[in-house]
Amino acid sequence: AQTVTQSQPEMSVQEAETVTLSCTYDTSENNYYLFWYKQPPSRQMILVIRQEAYKQQNATENRFSVNFQKAAKSFSLKISDSQLGDTAMYFCAFTYNNNDMRFGAGTRLTVKP
Amino acid sequence: EAQVTQNPRYLITVTGKKLTVTCSQNMNHEYMSWYRQDPGLGLRQIYYSMNVEVTDKGDVPEGYKVSRKEKRNFPLILESPSPNQTSLYFCASSLLAGATDTQYFGPGTRLTVL
Repeated sequence: AQTVTQSQPEMSVQEAETVTLSCTYDTSENNYYLFWYKQPPSRQMILVIRQEAYKQQNATENRFSVNFQKAAKSFSLKISDSQLGDTAMYFCAFTYNNNDMRFGAGTRLTVKP
Repeated sequence: EAQVTQNPRYLITVTGKKLTVTCSQNMNHEYMSWYRQDPGLGLRQIYYSMNVEVTDKGDVPEGYKVSRKEKRNFPLILESPSPNQTSLYFCASSLLAGATDTQYFGPGTRLTVL
């Protein structure tokens, strides 16, 4: 079974500091895609970053970067220089067959001024 | 403006009363999908569609129906809603056929079944 686990239901960070959100997944597949989605209070789901499993290099998007450890099946999200607008629910997601997506339960991040 | 729209945004209904949540995208996307979001469970996929007239079950399809008669529309139908279908529903679409492409989400529909 393909599962995604986010073990931190809630986290907080001071503005301008760095925070790392954890995600682990379980799969027997070798080729797959991993994503981090952000859901602010507006409820809109926004793609933050995606990683292709066959790529060794960790994906980066401005202040957002991932630490992809394929052997450990770990996919953490690092947010640098946290801003108040980063306050949101963050979902880790996974797909291997190009059809269905599996999401984790989410981590609620609060950035404090 | 490129977007995914859902209607209604909020709906309160009673058990057994058939309802439809519409989803429309104006980006000529091939792939569309429905999810439900519940606290502590994240998003779970209900149904997806790779193209017109092609639909398939996701993780939690029981109690739901979909159709894809036109490329832009992907309605979610609850023939006989029950209280356990109270949830936040999202429609999403992506350009390429498949979930690996970037998915664009609608604003969500908050459904309450009494």
